[in-house]
This record gives sequence, structure tokens and C-alpha cells, in this order.
Amino acid sequence: EAGVTQSPRYAVLQEGQAVSFWCDPISGHDTLYWYQQPRDQGPQLLVYFRDEAVIDNSQLPSDRFSAVRPKGTNSTLKIQSAKQGDTATYLCASSLQGAGNTLYFGEGSRLIVV
Amino acid sequence: TQTVSQSDAHVTVFEGDSVELRCNYSYGGSIYLSWYIQHHGRGLQFLLKYYSGNPVVQGVNGFEAEFSKSDSSFHLRKASVHWSDSAVYFCAVSPYQGGRALIFGTGTTVSVSP
Repeated sequence: EAGVTQSPRYAVLQEGQAVSFWCDPISGHDTLYWYQQPRDQGPQLLVYFRDEAVIDNSQLPSDRFSAVRPKGTNSTLKIQSAKQGDTATYLCASSLQGAGNTLYFGEGSRLIVV
Repeated sequence: TQTVSQSDAHVTVFEGDSVELRCNYSYGGSIYLSWYIQHHGRGLQFLLKYYSGNPVVQGVNGFEAEFSKSDSSFHLRKASVHWSDSAVYFCAVSPYQGGRALIFGTGTTVSVSP
């Protein structure tokens, strides 16, 4: 089966520019996660969805970050007015519903803000 | 609030050696514990997980982990490492109730020398 697909793989922005990351989860997976992974750190949850509903976005910087999953399948994470501190890899993962279910990760989208 | 601690940032071993990666957690309720591996420039891949039952769980590629409630630990072990085991290893926890997302530790980088 196809894995989790993310695009673009790389993005380089000037401060103040915007970028969107796209994620296609594994078919049939109802839960989708976006994690931010700064260099040499562990993944930190930004937001996750069950179907099209946001379950937890408490760690999403709401002034500049937004995430949607309108049909409960693909998802887009958008960063407006990027800052150097946003430099990180953005990981998308999907799973079936239920605590403890295995997460399947994409390859990530590496963002550099200069 | 649950936390995950990985005390070793970097471990260097020779091919054929055994390795143990330490993980300690803090949480008062029932949780799932898991380990993931991340090769350079790639997404995370699932190794193994524990919820209940036999405290020693077997994973892929010869990895195993042992849960200890008294020590609040979930250490990962491999008896004989291969050069391809060079990667970053993340311990993760999620509460059993509420279907919350995984919380990851800061990771341990394993370097295997020939």
C-alpha cells in the first residue's frame, strides 16, 4: 500500500513569506497529525484531526499557522509570514483511530527561513 | 502532563556490540509506550510498542524493549547492532484514555562504527 506522501520536500523562504505543505495520508486512516521537528530535536505536535474535525490544535501558533483537512483525507498546513524560528522539518503522520495505534510518517517537508 | 525523557543524546557502539537506549516517562495513568527510528533525512518508522502483558516486547530487526512500572522506564535494546542501525531513536508515550497524540522524547542518536 502507498505510504504517507508529503510535498514539497524542501522549501526555502525569506522571513515574511508564506508556504503551504500538503499531506496525503494512508488510505483509510481517519487520524492525521502534523508535527514540527526542529533540527536535532524530537517531533512536537502541532495539530491533529480525526476525519475532518480538529481534535487538538493547542500547540499550533494560531496567528501564523493554520491547518485544514476539509474532506477527511488530504491535509494542508500553511505558514503565513514565516519567521526564522519556523525553520524545521514538518512531519505528517496518519493512523487508525484509537490511542496507541501505530503512526505512519511521511518523509517530511524541510523548511528553511532565512 | 506526561513527559518523556531520553537521557543519552548520543551513543557510539561498534558493529556487533549490544546497545541499550534509555527512556523514562512521567504519567499517572495508563499509557502506551513506543519506540520509533529515524534515519537521516527520513520520516520516523515504528519499531515496537507496549500497553500491557509481558513487559518485554519484541520489535522489528531484532529490537526489544522492557517496561518497568517501578522505574517508569521503557528501555530499548539490541543484542548485536549493524551499521544500518545508525539512526536517531525516539521514545514516545500516549495516554490510553482520550486518544491523544504521541508525545516524543528528544531522541538518542546511535552511531555504529565498523
